[in-house]
Order: sequence, then C-alpha cells, then structure tokens
Amino acid sequence: NAGVMQNPRHLVRRRGQEARLRCSPMKGHSHVYWYRQLPEEGLKFMVYLQKENIIDESGMPKERFSAEFPKEGPSILRIQQVVRGDSAAYFCASSLTVIGNSPLHFGNGTRLTVT
Amino acid sequence: AQSVTQLDSQVPVFEEAPVELRCNYSSSVSVYLFWYVQYPNQGLQLLLKYLSGSTLVKGINGFEAEFNKSQTSFHLRKPSVHISDTAEYFCAVSEDNAGNMLTFGGGTRLMVKP
Repeated sequence: NAGVMQNPRHLVRRRGQEARLRCSPMKGHSHVYWYRQLPEEGLKFMVYLQKENIIDESGMPKERFSAEFPKEGPSILRIQQVVRGDSAAYFCASSLTVIGNSPLHFGNGTRLTVT
Repeated sequence: AQSVTQLDSQVPVFEEAPVELRCNYSSSVSVYLFWYVQYPNQGLQLLLKYLSGSTLVKGINGFEAEFNKSQTSFHLRKPSVHISDTAEYFCAVSEDNAGNMLTFGGGTRLMVKP
C-alpha cells in the first residue's frame, strides 16, 4: 500500500509564475490536508479537503493560493504569481477518518524555491 | 485557540545517553497529542499518539511520552539514543472537537553525537 505521494519533490519557479503541487493520498483515504513549513519553523496548517469539498481553509493566504481535491485524480495546491516568501516545503497528509481515530500520514513534501 | 511550545530548539546528546524532548500545550478543551519525527528531506512520521486512557504512551523506535494534564505537558523520552535518532521532532495537538487540523510546535532538533 503506497504512502502519500507528492510531486514534484523539488520545484523552482521565477517570481510571478504559477506553482502547482500535487498530492495523491493513501489508498482509501478521502481526507487531505496541506501544510507549509518555512525554513527553521514547524508546520503550519493551510487547508483541509475531502473529495470535491474544502472543509477548512483557515490557514490559506487570502490571495494567490487555492486548493482542490477532485473526484478523480490528485489534490492540487496552486500558487499563482509566486513571490520569494512562498519558498518553503509544502507537505500533504491524508487520513482515513478525522484525526483522533486515524492519524495523519504525510508525504515527503514538495520543496518550492522562488527565484 | 490551541498552541504548542517546544522549549528546546536543539538538543545535543551523546550516543546511548537518555534524552527528553519537552512539549507544552495550551487548549481550552480536551486534546489529542502527537509526536512526529522528520528525517532530512523527508515527510513526517508518526512516533506515538495520546488519545485517551493510560498517560504513558509507547511508540516506535523505543520512544515513549507521558501526558501530564495538570502541567499541560507531553514530553518525549528515550532511555538510550542511537546515532540514527538524529532528526527533527515535532509535537502536535488536535482538539477533539475540531478533528480536522493539527497545531505543531516549532520542532526540536535532536543531535546524537558518537
């Protein structure tokens, strides 16, 4: 049973370009979470999605960031018009049910570098 | 609102020595508590979790943690560390009535020296 798969592992974008980060949850998991880890900091929650629905996006910046988890295919975190401050590691996690009964399983992350 | 504080950003220790990584949290409701480990350039791996019941929780790789409600702490311990334990360790909390996101501490870098 493959774990949470994220791609690409490393992504370099120039300022103003778009970044698309993909996450395939563990088989059977319908809950997906995105976290951001800035250098030398802990992870910060961004958004929680279930299939086709955004459940909680309280950690998402109000502009330029969006996330989706379509009925078919991976979850996508999209960052438009990237700026240097977007450089970070972005981690996706999935769970079978809500936290408490089913802890999160994390992917290896996508490291975004904005030049 | 909930928060997690890991007081030590770095903990150097010699191989085979015991170690304790401290974690304190604040929350107005009951919580679930977790410790994750992150090896370089990898994602987080769950070490152990406290949901309810016994306050002493045993996890993988010989780690254990004790939930202390009165002190709002969930310190991680290992009686004898190995070089391979060198990694970043994150304490996290989830409120049981939220169920949809973790709040992480800033992490503690454990550096095991030979």
